[in-house]
Amino acid sequence: AQSVTQPDIHITVSEGASLELRCNYSYGATPYLFWYVQSPGQGLQLLLKYFSGDTLVQGIKGFEAEFKRSQSSFNLRKPSVHWSDAAEYFCAVGTNAGNMLTFGGGTRLMVKP
Amino acid sequence: EPEVTQTPSHQVTQMGQEVILRCVPISNHLYFYWYRQILGQKVEFLVSFYNNEISEKSEIFDDQFSVERPDGSNFTLKIRSTKLEDSAMYFCASSGGGKGAGNTIYFGEGSWLTVV
Repeated sequence: AQSVTQPDIHITVSEGASLELRCNYSYGATPYLFWYVQSPGQGLQLLLKYFSGDTLVQGIKGFEAEFKRSQSSFNLRKPSVHWSDAAEYFCAVGTNAGNMLTFGGGTRLMVKP
Repeated sequence: EPEVTQTPSHQVTQMGQEVILRCVPISNHLYFYWYRQILGQKVEFLVSFYNNEISEKSEIFDDQFSVERPDGSNFTLKIRSTKLEDSAMYFCASSGGGKGAGNTIYFGEGSWLTVV
């Protein structure tokens, strides 16, 4: 069965600083990988996804993520964080065997002025 | 942009009562899902539904849970006899296309269920 680990429960960065949120997955074959963001009181919004092809994927709101098979990682990055990026970020993995997603525990991002 | 809508946004119910959470998936989507998130915990898969039947379900989705697509637009989750541990945010989601998580899953804003 697949699993996802987000090692950082909380991260605080200053506005304008760069950001990297870590995600490690466990799955025997090529996974489908997703990053979702959840703002307070909101649902889960898809930031970006990796299915195949180019391992660097671009998403909405200036986010990108890189799939590294050798490290079983799919880290999310943003070069310059805005105060509105404060939210909880979830990495998720899916497979070709079914439609369910397995989520990581989430990373709560706080942005200092 | 099309979206998944859920009602109610928040419901408080007494232990042992039945609860129905409602969802309107994106109109041309074929797969429908329920996930839940207990406060402070991971988002967990409950069930997926395709072609008017359950296609996958997790261990959490026991006999007290049921899903239904009563008409062409709604998708419901029923909890027959609620327990305190059912208190959670319940997310409805939908996706188009065929089998395999290669189809993007779109989530609603969630329904907070509080069991007292």
